[in-house]
Amino acid sequence: DAGVIQSPRHEVTEMGQEVTLRCKPISGHNSLFWYRQTMMRGLELLIYFNNNVPIDDSGMPEDRFSAKMPNASFSTLKIQPSEPRDSAVYFCASTLEGGGLGNEQFFGPGTRLTVL
Amino acid sequence: SQKIEQNSEALNIQEGKTATLTCNYTNYSPAYLQWYRQDPGRGPVFLLLIRENEKEKRKERLKVTFDTTLKQSLFHITASQPADSATYLCALVVYNQGGKLIFGQGTELSVKP
Repeated sequence: DAGVIQSPRHEVTEMGQEVTLRCKPISGHNSLFWYRQTMMRGLELLIYFNNNVPIDDSGMPEDRFSAKMPNASFSTLKIQPSEPRDSAVYFCASTLEGGGLGNEQFFGPGTRLTVL
Repeated sequence: SQKIEQNSEALNIQEGKTATLTCNYTNYSPAYLQWYRQDPGRGPVFLLLIRENEKEKRKERLKVTFDTTLKQSLFHITASQPADSATYLCALVVYNQGGKLIFGQGTELSVKP
């Protein structure tokens, strides 16, 4: 298996532009997580899905952020409009989850986002 | 308030020594605790999981302890090697939150030859 795939790996955009980050989880995994990592705040959970359904989006910073999972093999995280403070590395992770067992999560390589 | 704290200072040790990293938490009742390794420019990689009813878990040169009374986990790397240099993250899994992980800030470990 290729692992969790994220694209793009790097994104540089200007303030006010729409940004879409993409994630393909490991085949057979039923939970998908979006994280944001910065030096100041560390690794923060933004939202997670179980069986394609959003379960907890309490970490989404504001309405400019939205995430979808239209099927088991694809998810997007969208920022519209983007702001310089959104600059961070965004990770997607997946796992096979059942009953809150807390199984190990498999992380993608991340997308480094820079908003100018 | 709820907090997870790891050594904020980088840990520098000599090759061959044992590295000990600390993870303290407050106002959480974790069901599990996990440790991850993160190299620069990469995503975290899972190392070990320990359950609340386990005191200790080992895997090769790694050992994790979990003390729910002290609200602390210790992560040990014995016979450390320069290749062990990385940032190590602890993460809590809390009951009834669907396997959601809550991460500490991480501790950077540097092993000098």
